[in-house]
Amino acid sequence: KAGVTQTPRYLIKTRGQQVTLSCSPISGHRSVSWYQQTPGQGLQFLFEYFSETQRNKGNFPGRFSGRQFSNSRSEMNVSTLELGDSALYLCASSSRRAGLSPYEQYFGPGTRLTVT
Amino acid sequence: AQSVAQPEDQVNVAEGNPLTVKCTYSVSGNPYLFWYVQYPNRGLQFLLKYITGDNLVKGSYGFEAEFNKSQTSFHLKKPSALVSDSALYFCAVRDMSGSGYALNFGKGTSLLVTP
Repeated sequence: KAGVTQTPRYLIKTRGQQVTLSCSPISGHRSVSWYQQTPGQGLQFLFEYFSETQRNKGNFPGRFSGRQFSNSRSEMNVSTLELGDSALYLCASSSRRAGLSPYEQYFGPGTRLTVT
Repeated sequence: AQSVAQPEDQVNVAEGNPLTVKCTYSVSGNPYLFWYVQYPNRGLQFLLKYITGDNLVKGSYGFEAEFNKSQTSFHLKKPSALVSDSALYFCAVRDMSGSGYALNFGKGTSLLVTP
C-alpha cells in the first residue's frame, strides 16, 4: 500500500500571502489529521476530518482551515501568513474502523513551509 | 486534558546496550498511548501502542514499551541499541475530549546511539 503523500514537500511564501497544502491518505483510510511541528512548540494538533466533516479542532486561529473531499483527500489552508507559521506541517491518516487499527495514525513526510 | 511528558531531552546510549526512553502520562480514564519515531527530514513512524490488555507491548524494530498504571508511565525500551536507532522519539496520548482521534504529543526525546 502506498503511504500518506503530501504536496508540496517544500514551500516558501511571503508574509501576508496564503498557502494551500494537500494530503492524500492511505487507500481505505477515511480520517485525516493535520499537525504543526515547530522547534519551540513541538507537535500540535490542528484539526481532523472524517467523512468530509471536521471532527476535532486544535487551538489555532481561524486563519488555519481545512477541508476533506469525498475521496478522503484533504487540504489545509493558511491565510495571511505570519513568520510564526513557518513549520513542518504533517498530515496523518487512520482507518477509524473497528478491527482495522482505528487509533493508529500514519504520517506523511510533511510539507516544510517557510514564511519570509 | 490528556497529556504526556518526556522528562529527557536527550538520551545517549552505546551500541549494544539496552535503551530506555521515558514517558509519563496524565489522563482521566484509561489512556490510549503511542510511541512514534522521527528520522531527519521525515514524518513520524508508528512504533507501538497501548490500548488495553498486556502491560508489555511489542512493536516495530525490536522496540517494546511497558505500561505502568501505578506510576503512570509508558517507557520505551529496546534490549540492544543500534546506531540506526538514533532519531527523535515521541510519546503521545489520544485526546479524549472530542469525538476525534487527535494525539497530544510529548516534546520529544533525541536518542543518540554511539558505536
